[in-house]
Amino acid sequence: DADVTQTPRNRITKTGKRIMLECSQTKGHDRMYWYRQDPGLGLQLIYYSFDVKDINKGEISDGYSVSRQAQAKFSLSLESAIPNQTALYFCATSSSGDDTQYFGPGTRLTVL
Amino acid sequence: AQSVTQLGSHVSVSEGALVLLRCNYSSSVPPYLFWYVQYPNQGLQLLLKYTSAATLVKGINGFEAEFKKSETSFHLTKPSAHMSDAAEYFCAVTSGGYSTLTFGKGTMLLVSP
Repeated sequence: DADVTQTPRNRITKTGKRIMLECSQTKGHDRMYWYRQDPGLGLQLIYYSFDVKDINKGEISDGYSVSRQAQAKFSLSLESAIPNQTALYFCATSSSGDDTQYFGPGTRLTVL
Repeated sequence: AQSVTQLGSHVSVSEGALVLLRCNYSSSVPPYLFWYVQYPNQGLQLLLKYTSAATLVKGINGFEAEFKKSETSFHLTKPSAHMSDAAEYFCAVTSGGYSTLTFGKGTMLLVSP
């Protein structure tokens, strides 16, 4: 079983719709992250959480919100999706004692 | 503040040739450095990491990288490319503690027969 899972893996939606992407992990890590990947831009950090009660904005948080429901679950929401949010979204986890991040398989989101 | 520059968005090599992917970093404190690989339609997988121990770091699949503080570089090498090495490679830096990872824009490695 995968240590970091993301659902859904693919999603097509329309402009203005609310979308939630979910991430779960069984690694026992306290830190979780959401990134988006666009061709030629690498990975950009959207939000991160160092523990359940700690949520921080990343470099591109506008238009996104997150919820850390439990240590193992971290959800990303797009309140009103727009076409330039079409991208590949990755969740990652790490331990506070180790900076290595472990990535999920990604969610490919298309906003029409 | 920290940043990463990967020189070359695409690198092409022949099978059996040396692979060299370049990464330069900027960090105001001693950095921790990482190389990740992304195969098509997959997430990122850790290749290797430098965390202030030995400056020459060996990773998986025959890759290695050398930390050179004077050049602020952490280039990735492999003596002999294999077709299965074709993927996108990302260099990343963090200052550790409560710092987050900053990624470069990635280098696509193309391997021809």
